[in-house]
Amino acid sequence: EAGVAQSPRYKIIEKRQSVAFWCNPISGHATLYWYQQILGQGPKLLIQFQNNGVVDDSQLPKDRFSAERLKGVDSTLKIQPAKLEDSAVYLCASSPRGGVSEAFFGQGTRLTVV
Amino acid sequence: KNQVEQSPQSLIILEGKNCTLQCNYTVSPFSNLRWYKQDTGRGPVSLTIMTFSENTKSNGRYTATLDADTKQSSLHITASQLSDSASYICVVSAANAGKSTFGDGTTLTVKP
Repeated sequence: EAGVAQSPRYKIIEKRQSVAFWCNPISGHATLYWYQQILGQGPKLLIQFQNNGVVDDSQLPKDRFSAERLKGVDSTLKIQPAKLEDSAVYLCASSPRGGVSEAFFGQGTRLTVV
Repeated sequence: KNQVEQSPQSLIILEGKNCTLQCNYTVSPFSNLRWYKQDTGRGPVSLTIMTFSENTKSNGRYTATLDADTKQSSLHITASQLSDSASYICVVSAANAGKSTFGDGTTLTVKP
């Protein structure tokens, strides 16, 4: 079974620039999550999709972050404009139903904002 | 407020030794608790999941315990190997709305 695919693996941008991350979940998984993991901390949920609808985006900084999941499969997360404090690993996870207890994680995208 | 506290923050042990990592939580109502292993530069990988009725579960050299009364869990690693060097994250899920709370992890370094 193929895992959760994320790209790019690494990205370095200057502050105020924009950036986008892509995630392809495990086939058939209805739920998709985006997490932000700052060095030395646990992942923090940014947004959760159920199929192509948003279930929880309460911790997404909507003034600069946006995410979409077209056709309930692939998803993109965008940051515009980026700030220095956005430097982190962005993890995508998917699960067959709801509940992160069943989730499988991708390898993440490490973003460095300079 | 639901919280998950892990200790110690970091740990260094010699190869072959045992160690125990701790996870205390205030998540309520409790649904399940999962331990993840996260290698450097990788995403978290599940080690064990424990529900309310389970108090011990093993996965190879990893043994997790759960005390739902005191809201504590531990992850015991036996005969550590260099490949056990990683961050170990405790995640507790609530029964209502299925929200999950992540701990900040314990960074384990196994030295030869």
